[in-house]
Amino acid sequence: EAGVTQSPTHLIKTRGQQATLRCSPISGHTSVYWYQQALGLGLQFLLWYDEGEERNRGNFPPRFSGRQFPNYSSELNVNALELEDSALYLCASSSMVLASYWYNEQFFGPGTRLTVL
Amino acid sequence: TQLLEQSPQFLSIQEGENLTVYCNSSSVFSSLQWYRQEPGEGPVLLVTVVTGGEVKKLKRLTFQFGDARKDSSLHITAAQPGDTGLYLCAGRTITQGGSEKLVFGKGTKLTVNP
Repeated sequence: EAGVTQSPTHLIKTRGQQATLRCSPISGHTSVYWYQQALGLGLQFLLWYDEGEERNRGNFPPRFSGRQFPNYSSELNVNALELEDSALYLCASSSMVLASYWYNEQFFGPGTRLTVL
Repeated sequence: TQLLEQSPQFLSIQEGENLTVYCNSSSVFSSLQWYRQEPGEGPVLLVTVVTGGEVKKLKRLTFQFGDARKDSSLHITAAQPGDTGLYLCAGRTITQGGSEKLVFGKGTKLTVNP
């Protein structure tokens, strides 16, 4: 079974430009999550999409946006890029698992390394 | 707000040694997950713990969830160079809006020297 895939692997942009990052979830997963992993800050939650709808949003400005397509793949768009947007952007998809109760497990893609010059 | 504290932040040991890393919070989590991440790659899920006091074993790795579901530990026995990586814990919490969110610690960077 194919895992979460992300493209491109690396992306270099200049300040003020726009970046588009793409993610394909594991087959059968309907939820997609986006995270930013910057040096020294750990993984910061950006966005959660499920069934085509934005379900939750992290503490990021509106220039970070995205969407989920009918096939559950997703795009993350970052407008008006700033130097501090340089980071590894990770996408995860999730499935529900039943133990003593239902819980959610997330599986990550390899990430897109965005560098803003 | 940093809800999950991981310690130590860095750990460098020799092959064959044992180690424990910790994940602590003042918040209660419905479940907690441990991931291992290698440089330039995405985190790989190791285990999910769900029940307070739960212990799970994955070969030489032992994971424990605290009785109050606020903390967790990862113990590695006879560490090997292949265990080198960033170990992340992530707790599932319910937001004010009622939706779920996975909150990550900053990780423990483990180096196992041959």
